[in-house]
Amino acid sequence: AQSVTQLGSHVSVSEGALVLLRCNYSSSVPPYLFWYVQYPNQGLQLLLKYTSAATLVKGINGFEAEFKKSETSFHLTKPSAHMSDAAEYFCAVSETGGYNKLIFGAGTRLAVHP
Amino acid sequence: DAGVIQSPRHEVTEMGQEVTLRCKPISGHNSLFWYRQTMMRGLELLIYFNNNVPIDDSGMPEDRFSAKMPNASFSTLKIQPSEPRDSAVYFCASSSPGRYIQYFGAGTRLSVL
Repeated sequence: AQSVTQLGSHVSVSEGALVLLRCNYSSSVPPYLFWYVQYPNQGLQLLLKYTSAATLVKGINGFEAEFKKSETSFHLTKPSAHMSDAAEYFCAVSETGGYNKLIFGAGTRLAVHP
Repeated sequence: DAGVIQSPRHEVTEMGQEVTLRCKPISGHNSLFWYRQTMMRGLELLIYFNNNVPIDDSGMPEDRFSAKMPNASFSTLKIQPSEPRDSAVYFCASSSPGRYIQYFGAGTRLSVL
């Protein structure tokens, strides 16, 4: 079965600093990978997705992620954090077998301080 | 498109009462997912449907929980009887055929007193 590990349940950065949120997956076949963001009192929103086209994927709000097969990683980065980036971020991997099921990581809460 | 619509947004009820949460998926989507989110357990998949048929309900915590999808545009999650430990935010998500992207509703915040 697929699984997703997000290292660090809480990450804190200064405004303007680099954001790095880590995600590792286990998959026996090339997966589809996703990052979702959840702002307070809202549902999850798709930030970006990897579907085997390009290994470097750009998403909304200046975020990007790089698929590294050798490391089974899909880390999320943003060069310069903004206060509005404070949210919870979830990495997800597609489950094999169809039905569009996703396996979500435990989430990383990002805090941005002035 | 209006997106995935969930109702109610907030529900406060007393222990032992029946609770029904509702979800309208995005038109044309054929997969529907129910999740529960708590601080302690994070985001949990409860059950999912494909073409209105339940595929996997192994995430449903116990027999007090049931879900139905009578047609492609409506699903319900029912808890009977409700207990304080059921307090959580419940999300519904849908996706279109052949695509893994799930679109989430705004959630229903349930408080069982």
